[in-house]
Amino acid sequence: DAKTTQPTSMDCAEGRAANLPCNHSTISGNEYVYWYRQIHSQGPQYIIHGLKNNETNEMASLIITEDRKSSTLILPHATLRDTAVYYCIVREIQGAQKLVFGQGTRLTINP
Amino acid sequence: NAGVTQTPKFRILKIGQSMTLQCTQDMNHNYMYWYRQDPGMGLKLIYYSVGAGITDKGEVPNGYNVSRSTTEDFPLRLELAAPSQTSVYFCASSYPATGNGYTFGSGTRLTVV
Repeated sequence: DAKTTQPTSMDCAEGRAANLPCNHSTISGNEYVYWYRQIHSQGPQYIIHGLKNNETNEMASLIITEDRKSSTLILPHATLRDTAVYYCIVREIQGAQKLVFGQGTRLTINP
Repeated sequence: NAGVTQTPKFRILKIGQSMTLQCTQDMNHNYMYWYRQDPGMGLKLIYYSVGAGITDKGEVPNGYNVSRSTTEDFPLRLELAAPSQTSVYFCASSYPATGNGYTFGSGTRLTVV
């Protein structure tokens, strides 16, 4: 699985958009980009995923660059409950579809 | 819909003891996974299964065993517990359709003393 690089930590003001970057320069054509988050010590929660097109759901938007070497997760109106560790993961489309977690970005939403 | 259920939530073991962490899912997911998470670290894959009767090692399988006799259950066995196995253990499941995300359980916090 390709590796990802994320900033260790970020801060964002409540009500503003939180933009979390991720670099995955060695991603291959058969790998998706996934985002999960982990609030405190709970189990990780799926947020969104994409292959090459931008994606949006009720939680977030995912912007993938045209060369697919990087992506940005956008939380449009961050709330205090969005404080969590956010993981960017690339995952194979076929096979066992294992997720390989890195250190993630610790996002703190400030009032 | 219960999703992924893990038991127990907390456990303290003495060095050398054994135990089984239970994981059950009611979503008819074929794929199941066990991860461990040490303090301040990301999750590491211990074992995974792509269906009943099929299991395989992940990144950190030493000291653990698994079995998958049914689609619903994927227990993780610790033999001869060691302090290095103090961690939070997460079970997850997914459906092998392209792109589906994992559903995680709430975790088992294990301390070996």
